[in-house]
Amino acid sequence: DAGVIQSPRHEVTEMGQEVTLRCKPISGHDYLFWYRQTMMRGLELLIYFNNNVPIDDSGMPEDRFSAKMPNASFSTLKIQPSEPRDSAVYFCASRPDLLAEAPPDTQYFGPGTRLTVL
Amino acid sequence: GQNIDQPTEMTATEGAIVQINCTYQTSGFNGLFWYQQHAGEAPTFLSYNVLDGLEEKGRFSSFLSRSKGYSYLLLKELQMKDSASYLCAVRGSARQLTFGSGTQLTVLP
Repeated sequence: DAGVIQSPRHEVTEMGQEVTLRCKPISGHDYLFWYRQTMMRGLELLIYFNNNVPIDDSGMPEDRFSAKMPNASFSTLKIQPSEPRDSAVYFCASRPDLLAEAPPDTQYFGPGTRLTVL
Repeated sequence: GQNIDQPTEMTATEGAIVQINCTYQTSGFNGLFWYQQHAGEAPTFLSYNVLDGLEEKGRFSSFLSRSKGYSYLLLKELQMKDSASYLCAVRGSARQLTFGSGTQLTVLP
């Protein structure tokens, strides 16, 4: 299994530009999560999907952030317009609904996208 | 809501034992996870506790006391490669994880 795949791994952009982060979850996983990690605030849940449907987006900072999951194998997180305070590492994670081999609700993380907004 | 506290940093010597504590106050509790995160990498699953007591897995052990809202991760025979951030995460009533800010462990030779 290839694990959770994220792209790009690094993104440097200028303030005001649109940024799109991409995620491919592990095949067969019903849940997909977007997290943001900074030194100041740690790992924060932004939004999560179940069977491609957004369930809880209360962690999305503001209207500049949006996320979609058009199918079971692809999700995007978009920031428009981007600001310097959005600089962080953005992780995507997925998990199956039930898995006998692991503790329930164990999440599997992608390698992350390091975003720098100048 | 969820509130999770763990020390920001710890330092220990190679070969020693270190205990990383985590306290939590949550509106619902259905288990506690420990994740390891090396610099520049993704968090990876280490251990899980849902009942009180100690879970041992090789050099790593994790303890839970639900009545005290307390857990610890015990690392024995420390190795240089154990230098990483250790994240405590609570699985709440909604079955999602809330993470602590992490404890950065530095292992010195």
